[in-house]
Amino acid sequence: GNSVTQMEGPVTLSEEAFLTINCTYTATGYPSLFWYVQYPGEGLQLLLKATKADDKGSNKGFEATYRKETTSFHLEKGSVQVSDSAVYFCALKGQGGKLIFGQGTELSVKP
Amino acid sequence: EPEVTQTPSHQVTQMGQEVILRCVPISNHLYFYWYRQILGQKVEFLVSFYNNEISEKSEIFDDQFSVERPDGSNFTLKIRSTKLEDSAMYFCASSEQGANTGELFFGEGSRLTVL
Repeated sequence: GNSVTQMEGPVTLSEEAFLTINCTYTATGYPSLFWYVQYPGEGLQLLLKATKADDKGSNKGFEATYRKETTSFHLEKGSVQVSDSAVYFCALKGQGGKLIFGQGTELSVKP
Repeated sequence: EPEVTQTPSHQVTQMGQEVILRCVPISNHLYFYWYRQILGQKVEFLVSFYNNEISEKSEIFDDQFSVERPDGSNFTLKIRSTKLEDSAMYFCASSEQGANTGELFFGEGSRLTVL
């Protein structure tokens, strides 16, 4: 079945550091891939998405490229801010329509 | 910007009691979902709903759970007899389309605490 695996957290970085959160997936067919973010005390918000191989999703300085050959969708940001502290969820959506989430990675950015 | 709204934001209940969590999806959306997140764990799919019937449900969604769209706007999750392990954040989501490219929009969640 479809599944998503993320690197474990928590990840602690200093402000302006480079961020990578690894995400790999297993899926049949051609899923779409998403990154959702959950700020403290809030719900899930879509951060970015990619719907086919080699697509790059980007938003708020975050990027992720859909790599079919390595079944990966790693999240990157060149310079993190304190306000980026949150839990990040990688997810895939297959033809059935439901979203399958990874376990989430907590990011803490220190000033 | 249209959004998914959920009520209540937090509910405390005694084990064995019935609970109804309510959601108002985005008005032109046709696909509806419930997810739950036990504290510190991953977000888990419970059920999807389209055209007034369940499209898919997970193993978690047993006979104690039910969903309903009683009118044109609300989408409810009922837990018939709550257990301690039902304590979690419950997220409602809606989507305009069911295809794999369709984005899910989530509400802010309803925290359920079962004592």
